[in-house]
Amino acid sequence: GIQVEQSPPDLILQEGANSTLRCNFSDSVNNLQWFHQNPWGQLINLFYIPSGTKQNGRLSATTVATERYSLLYISSSQTTDSGVYFCAVPPPETSGSRLTFGEGTQLTVNP
Amino acid sequence: ETGVTQTPRHLVMGMTNKKSLKCEQHLGHNAMYWYKQSAKKPLELMFVYNFKEQTENNSVPSRFSPECPNSSHLFLHLHTLQPEDSALYLCASSQGTGGRETQYFGPGTRLLVL
Repeated sequence: GIQVEQSPPDLILQEGANSTLRCNFSDSVNNLQWFHQNPWGQLINLFYIPSGTKQNGRLSATTVATERYSLLYISSSQTTDSGVYFCAVPPPETSGSRLTFGEGTQLTVNP
Repeated sequence: ETGVTQTPRHLVMGMTNKKSLKCEQHLGHNAMYWYKQSAKKPLELMFVYNFKEQTENNSVPSRFSPECPNSSHLFLHLHTLQPEDSALYLCASSQGTGGRETQYFGPGTRLLVL
C-alpha cells in the first residue's frame, strides 16, 4: 500500500514563531488532506489539497504532486495551534475513501 | 463543532461486557467511517459505509460489529474485547466515497478495556 511519512515527528515552538511541516507519500494521489487533532482528540480538516497552494488565515498548504510531497505552513503560531497534525492520502487504485494517515507531527507551542 | 457527534465520550468495560458506540452526523452525508487510533500509532480505518451498505472492512476482528441503519447513524457493537483494543475510536462522514471527499470527524470515544 501507499506509504506516508511526516516530519518532523515532534516540534516545539515559542508563540509567534513560524514552522513548516512536511508530508511525503510514495505514490501518485488524487486527494491529500491535512488534519489537526487537538489535545482532546478532535480531528479537524484543515485543507483538501491534491495539488497547488491554499491559504486559510495563518495556515497555508502546498502540494507538489509530481514530486510526491506536501507542506503545511503555520505562521505566527499560537498556543491553540498545539496538537498533532496529520496528512492523509488514499491509495492510487481506489476511489479515495480509504485514507492512509501518516504518523503525525506533534506540535507544542509555548507561551 | 463538526456536525458529527459520538457517544459515549468515555467508556470503561470488562472483557466480558457488551457495549455499543454511537455516531450521528447532521451534515446530510452518505458515507460514514469507523477509525481506531491507538497510542503512538496513526489512525487505522476499520469500516466504511456508503448509502448504508458496508463497502470496506479492513480485516477487523469479529468482536467489533458495525451497524448502519441509515445514512445518518452508525454504531459499533463491542463484545469480548481485549485490553489491546483500548484506543480512541473515531467516527467520520463524507458526502460520498468518490476521489475528492473531505472527511469530517466526531470527537471520538476513549475506550479502556480492563
